[in-house]
Amino acid sequence: AQSVTQLDSQVPVFEEAPVELRCNYSSSVSVYLFWYVQYPNQGLQLLLKYLSGSTLVKGINGFEAEFNKSQTSFHLRKPSVHISDTAEYFCAVIEKTSYDKVIFGPGTSLSVIP
Amino acid sequence: NAGVTQTPKFRVLKTGQSMTLLCAQDMNHEYMYWYRQDPGMGLRLIHYSVGEGTTAKGEVPDGYNVSRLKKQNFLLGLESAAPSQTSVYFCASSYGGRRQETQYFGPGTRLLVL
Repeated sequence: AQSVTQLDSQVPVFEEAPVELRCNYSSSVSVYLFWYVQYPNQGLQLLLKYLSGSTLVKGINGFEAEFNKSQTSFHLRKPSVHISDTAEYFCAVIEKTSYDKVIFGPGTSLSVIP
Repeated sequence: NAGVTQTPKFRVLKTGQSMTLLCAQDMNHEYMYWYRQDPGMGLRLIHYSVGEGTTAKGEVPDGYNVSRLKKQNFLLGLESAAPSQTSVYFCASSYGGRRQETQYFGPGTRLLVL
């Protein structure tokens, strides 16, 4: 069955330090992968997505993610975080055989410390 | 474009009361979704619709009903509210079909059931 795991529920990091938010998924078919960000008291918005091609995907606000098929992972990284990056981050998956539903991970709360 | 809007933004209900949450999108999207967001559980799909006049159950449909009478609107109903339905509800829409599309989210409705 399709599932998404985000092992770190909370990640504190100092401003200007690098960060990696981990995402692993399980699926028996090929998938599309997404990272969404939710700022406090707002809805989710797309950060980046992997559909095909290059496994390194660049998104908005300096974030990037790398798809690793053998490890079924899609980790999100940023080399230098800002206070404004404090938010909840959700990894999500769509199976290519089923376009109807997106499966979201439980989320990782990123707190950037000044 | 307003994108995805949700009404109301916040509501308090007593157990057993009913209410309807309204979602509207002006992007001519085919697909619309209702999620609930609870701490540590990410987003869970309640119901979704792949087009006007169609609805389908998601992961947690019990206690909710939906209707999609117009393409731009997707209503979520609670016939008899329970404290377990205290949550933040998000509506989303996407082009749908084989377009692996980004979901566009509304700002959310915070519901408290006493």
